[in-house]
Amino acid sequence: GENVEQHPSTLSVQEGDSAVIKCTYSDSASNYFPWYKQELGKGPQLIIDIRSNVGEKKDQRIAVTLNKTAKHFSLHITETQPEDSAVYFCAASPGGYQKVTFGTGTKLQVIP
Amino acid sequence: ETGVTQTPRHLVMGMTNKKSLKCEQHLGHNAMYWYKQSAKKPLELMFVYNFKEQTENNSVPSRFSPECPNSSHLFLHLHTLQPEDSALYLCASSQLGQPTSYNEQFFGPGTRLTVL
Repeated sequence: GENVEQHPSTLSVQEGDSAVIKCTYSDSASNYFPWYKQELGKGPQLIIDIRSNVGEKKDQRIAVTLNKTAKHFSLHITETQPEDSAVYFCAASPGGYQKVTFGTGTKLQVIP
Repeated sequence: ETGVTQTPRHLVMGMTNKKSLKCEQHLGHNAMYWYKQSAKKPLELMFVYNFKEQTENNSVPSRFSPECPNSSHLFLHLHTLQPEDSALYLCASSQLGQPTSYNEQFFGPGTRLTVL
């Protein structure tokens, strides 16, 4: 089955700096890569996703990149703000009725 | 209510108790999921229901018993749990369609379960 590895497990950045979280996956059939943000006391919330027909996607301060050859994808947050502090999960799925496999999470702390 | 709701938000139970977790989705989705979230572990998929039919059971012990009476409601019945079952239990829903569709899942806030 699919195996998703995520690094780093914790990340501290100064407000205004950029943060990068990296994930690798094992199943070459995976073609859907969502990213979730989980704030304290809440469930994970989908913030952005990328599908295998594109290499990069941006949404304001958040961007994701995908390298299918190397089987890795990354989340980039620019101009970080204290409200970006949360746990971020990457995930991978072959799509359709196939299950979504999650990484172990990255706890991001943005220091004011 | 909007999105995915879960009750109760917190639950403390003894190993001999019987309790149930409830999940309701207001998104018109046709698939619902139970996940277990433990510290420093990936989200563990427990059960999947697609159009009210259980399509996946990830080797979950029988002390966890799911029930899906309709496509909007999902229950997780708990009995004779162990302390290691203490975790955050998350419910999610998605709209599964054609095989080429993407399984975008929407999560509830979770139930924090403590087994004494």
